[in-house]
Amino acid sequence: QSALTQPPSASGSPGQSVTISCTGTSSDVGGYNYVSWYQQHPGKVPKLMIYEVNKRPSGVPDRFSGSKSGNTASLTVSGLQAEDEADYYCSSYVGSNNWVFGGGTKLTVL
Amino acid sequence: QVQLQESGPGLVKPSQTLSLTCTVSGGSIRTDNYYWSWIRQPPGKGLEWIGYIYYSGNTYFNPSLKSRVAISLDTSKNHFSLKLTSVTAADTAVYYCARETTSYIAFDIWGQGTTVTVSS
Repeated sequence: QSALTQPPSASGSPGQSVTISCTGTSSDVGGYNYVSWYQQHPGKVPKLMIYEVNKRPSGVPDRFSGSKSGNTASLTVSGLQAEDEADYYCSSYVGSNNWVFGGGTKLTVL
Repeated sequence: QVQLQESGPGLVKPSQTLSLTCTVSGGSIRTDNYYWSWIRQPPGKGLEWIGYIYYSGNTYFNPSLKSRVAISLDTSKNHFSLKLTSVTAADTAVYYCARETTSYIAFDIWGQGTTVTVSS
């Protein structure tokens, strides 16, 4: 399985919205509603932000939202805050009890 | 609150076997709600799923690593382990253990990670 494709970087000013894409194929992103997103601050552990495309675990602000269209999933961060600056990784189930991650996107808050 | 903690050697010689253990506290590893996973992150790079084990002992691996990976479970010690054989410098990474939950179908709890360097 190949890694999912994410843009290496994204940026936005405080208060703005930014969307990060995650492109796969019909065998992963397009084939299952099991896309999740993880936030990782430098030197820290990844944190689950979105699961099953658009669901938020308890404690994750509703500024974070997820969606999917065809083979591309997206993470939108609204009302950007300084603490949102981090790396973001998407992940998708690919069937047969296998998973694949994206290459990661560095989000900068200007 | 369930917590995961990795342990094992931080330095492994090329061609040898990398062995790590993940100890689960605050909950039992012997439950049908979770898959116990290993994920790694090479320096400055992205995440790579290695594989996971179910409480029944069934294991599932990334096809690219399948020939070199083994994951086992010790319910008496409430931990699970990773073995990666014939390591090279490309296996240098932070290794995380994580829990995949059938409730979320995602990796909801992660260990702190342990750095493993492959070098002679």
